[in-house]
Amino acid sequence: EAQVTQNPRYLITVTGKKLTVTCSQNMNHEYMSWYRQDPGLGLRQIYYSMNVEVTDKGDVPEGYKVSRKEKRNFPLILESPSPNQTSLYFCASSIGRRISYEQYFGPGTRLTVT
Amino acid sequence: GQQLNQSPQSMFIQEGEDVSMNCTSSSIFNTWLWYKQDPGEGPVLLIALYKAGELTSNGRLTAQFGITRKDSFLNISASIPSDVGIYFCAGQIGETSGSRLTFGEGTQLTVNP
Repeated sequence: EAQVTQNPRYLITVTGKKLTVTCSQNMNHEYMSWYRQDPGLGLRQIYYSMNVEVTDKGDVPEGYKVSRKEKRNFPLILESPSPNQTSLYFCASSIGRRISYEQYFGPGTRLTVT
Repeated sequence: GQQLNQSPQSMFIQEGEDVSMNCTSSSIFNTWLWYKQDPGEGPVLLIALYKAGELTSNGRLTAQFGITRKDSFLNISASIPSDVGIYFCAGQIGETSGSRLTFGEGTQLTVNP
């Protein structure tokens, strides 16, 4: 089954404790992206990657890091989480070429930073 | 960055009614996408629009890419309880997926049986 998976689905942590949220897709998609969703703000892009070893900032990159060492994986790293990073996070992927702009989303990771 | 204004923010309707929601922007977009998000799930793509004036249907859903390329609307006909969820519009300026996808704030739809 074609899908985007994220782990963990739920995470409660404390300020300053480094964490990684994993994202994996099995569709051989070139493009992957991370979003955060907050009430009243919709979905905002954090980082995206056009292909292996190619990443770029989205609209709200502060406090986050990403890496793209393999095509299928795109982990989101919070080196020193803060309470304002409490949010619902989504990973998405798409083919990446002009024939298809549609992005497919993972199930989400709900992060709480205390 | 670009902003999308999506309206209405919420709708409460009776089963069987038709629904209409729209998105407007001050920027011109090359692509409009409509997503639905169920509680506890990620957004799922409903309809993708690539040309100004394009009208596309997916079952009871119909969406249009505005002629000015600054707006789009989504209609749902004969609503049913499973239509409940948050509907998002999204616009993209560039011609590759690397161009940022900007999302509206969503329309929360409630359907009363």
